[in-house]
Amino acid sequence: EAGVAQSPRYKIIEKRQSVAFWCNPISGHATLYWYQQILGQGPKLLIQFQNNGVVDDSQLPKDRFSAERLKGVDSTLKIQPAKLEDSAVYLCASSYSRREKLFFGSGTQLSVL
Amino acid sequence: QKEVEQNSGPLSVPEGAIASLNCTYSDRGSQSFFWYRQYSGKSPELIMSIYSNGDKEDGRFTAQLNKASQYVSLLIRDSQPSDSATYLCAVSDAGGTSYGKLTFGQGTILTVHP
Repeated sequence: EAGVAQSPRYKIIEKRQSVAFWCNPISGHATLYWYQQILGQGPKLLIQFQNNGVVDDSQLPKDRFSAERLKGVDSTLKIQPAKLEDSAVYLCASSYSRREKLFFGSGTQLSVL
Repeated sequence: QKEVEQNSGPLSVPEGAIASLNCTYSDRGSQSFFWYRQYSGKSPELIMSIYSNGDKEDGRFTAQLNKASQYVSLLIRDSQPSDSATYLCAVSDAGGTSYGKLTFGQGTILTVHP
């Protein structure tokens, strides 16, 4: 079974630039999450999708972050404009349903200079 | 603001010893609790889940939950160098409707030395 796919693996940008991350969950997984993990900290939930609808985006900084999950499969997370404090690993995770085990992708490491 | 606090590390134990990792949480209504292992540069991997008070054992791992004290722990018996990683305690939302909607602790770095 293929895992959660994320790209790119690494991204380096300058502050005020924009960046986008892509995630393809495990086939059949209806629930998709984006987490932000700053170095030395645990992951922090940014947004949760159920199929193509947003369930919870209360911790998403909506002035600069946006996310979508068109057709209830792939998802993209965008930051515009980026700030230095956005440097982190962005983890995508999926599960078959809300009450099933979570599977994480390998993450995108973002460095904002 | 929900909080999950883990015992400060790093924790260093000799091979074959028991490693004890602790976690407290602030939301008394939380219902589901998880331990994730994260190797350096890798993504978190679920190793234990526990939902009711008491102990749950899986191989060399034992998770313990005390909801009255809002305390979760993970014991690793016969620790091996391959257990060296960061261990993350995670708590699901109080409604218990989504196991993936997690609040994580800051993690405890465990080093098992030969």
